[in-house]
Amino acid sequence: RKEVEQDPGPFNVPEGATVAFNCTYSNSASQSFFWYRQDCRKEPKLLMSVYSSGNEDGRFTAQLNRASQYISLLIRDSKLSDSATYLCVVIRWGKLQFGAGTQVVVTP
Amino acid sequence: GAGVSQSPSNKVTEKGKDVELRCDPISGHTALYWYRQSLGQGLEFLIYFQGNSAPDKSGLPSDRFSAERTGGSVSTLTIQRTQQEDSAVYLCASTPGGEFDEQFFGPGTRLTVL
Repeated sequence: RKEVEQDPGPFNVPEGATVAFNCTYSNSASQSFFWYRQDCRKEPKLLMSVYSSGNEDGRFTAQLNRASQYISLLIRDSKLSDSATYLCVVIRWGKLQFGAGTQVVVTP
Repeated sequence: GAGVSQSPSNKVTEKGKDVELRCDPISGHTALYWYRQSLGQGLEFLIYFQGNSAPDKSGLPSDRFSAERTGGSVSTLTIQRTQQEDSAVYLCASTPGGEFDEQFFGPGTRLTVL
C-alpha cells in the first residue's frame, strides 16, 4: 500500500460548481500537509498548506482529519483555470511523500 | 527574481549511455531536492541536500544514480548506464530552509532512453 493515496480522477466539474477530493495517508506520525497544483507538462506549485483547524484561501478550503488520516481539498465556484492535477504532500520526519495526484477538469 | 532552472529541458539518449542533469536552485536556498516523475505517477523522491550536511540518498533507486551539489548551489544528477525504465521527468526543487518550506520547482528535464 502506498503511503499517500489519491483518487486519480478525472473529476469533471461544470464551471461554477464545487468539487472536493481527498488524500489518505497511512502513517499516523505524519506531521505536515500541503496541496500542490500541477498543470499539464509543468512543474508543481504550492497551492496551500493544510492546518489542523482547516484553512481557506479564497475559493479553496483545505481540511485535515487526523483520526481518519486524510486531508481534503474543496474548490468552490470552479473556474476553467482550476483545471489541473492536485498533488497532496505529506511530511514525516523530514521525508516528503507526494501523492500521484487528482486530475480536475472544469468544463464550460 | 530568477527561479529554479534545469538543463537540458529534454534529453534523448541510448540505453547504456551516461547522462548528467543540472539544477540551478534559487540563490540563497539551502535545501535542494531531486525527484522523478513518470507518466501518471506522483513525484518519487530521489535525494535531498541540506546545507553542508551529508545528503539524504535514501530515494536513489540504484547505484547507477548519483548526485552532487557543489559549493552549496548547483547540483548535478548523474545516471550511469541508462535503462529504458529511467525515462521520466526529473524535477529539482529548492527551499529556503528545510522540508517544511514551500518547494520551488524547476521546469524539469524530460529524459527519454531509447
